[in-house]
Amino acid sequence: GQNIDQPTEMTATEGAIVQINCTYQTSGFNGLFWYQQHAGEAPTFLSYNVLDGLEEKGRFSSFLSRSKGYSYLLLKELQMKDSASYLCAGLDSNYQLIWGAGTKLIIKP
Amino acid sequence: IAGITQAPTSQILAAGRRMTLRCTQDMRHNAMYWYRQDLGLGLRLIHYSNTAGTTGKGEVPDGYSVSRANTDDFPLTLASAVPSQTSVYFCASSLTGNTDTQYFGPGTRLTVL
Repeated sequence: GQNIDQPTEMTATEGAIVQINCTYQTSGFNGLFWYQQHAGEAPTFLSYNVLDGLEEKGRFSSFLSRSKGYSYLLLKELQMKDSASYLCAGLDSNYQLIWGAGTKLIIKP
Repeated sequence: IAGITQAPTSQILAAGRRMTLRCTQDMRHNAMYWYRQDLGLGLRLIHYSNTAGTTGKGEVPDGYSVSRANTDDFPLTLASAVPSQTSVYFCASSLTGNTDTQYFGPGTRLTVL
């Protein structure tokens, strides 16, 4: 079956760096998305990786290794507003989006 | 309006009642989606539409129906609500399909008693 695995919850300190991992098992692969979702709000787009490597967007970076079926989201200089759930979603060979359950990130002062 | 809107924001519904959740986007996106989100589970696709006039079934379509009469609107109907349909429902749209960024509405919190 197809599956997206990510940790349920992580805790980090304001100002620090945190890496949220995502492993995927899909029938074929056409890219991987990361979305951010604050409590009680809608998900919003963060990144889309289709090629191996690291893509940086300000304090957020996303990495993909297709050979390992692995991605991570790297958040630097953590701020309290980064407290949210981070959703990983993979596109399979039929371009169906498979969503992970999300990682709840708690930022402590 | 700018973006994607949903109505109502929240609703409490008696089991067995019919309910339509509304979704409207003004971005001229071709593709639209309905998801449900339950605690501990990822977003689950209920139905989708790649373009006006066409619809398709997602992962959990039973008990739900949709229509796409025009580009902007994509209502979701629960014909006879059951308690297991208690959830937060998100509508989303994207320019052409799943390779594009999905833009989500604010969600509808539905409770079926």
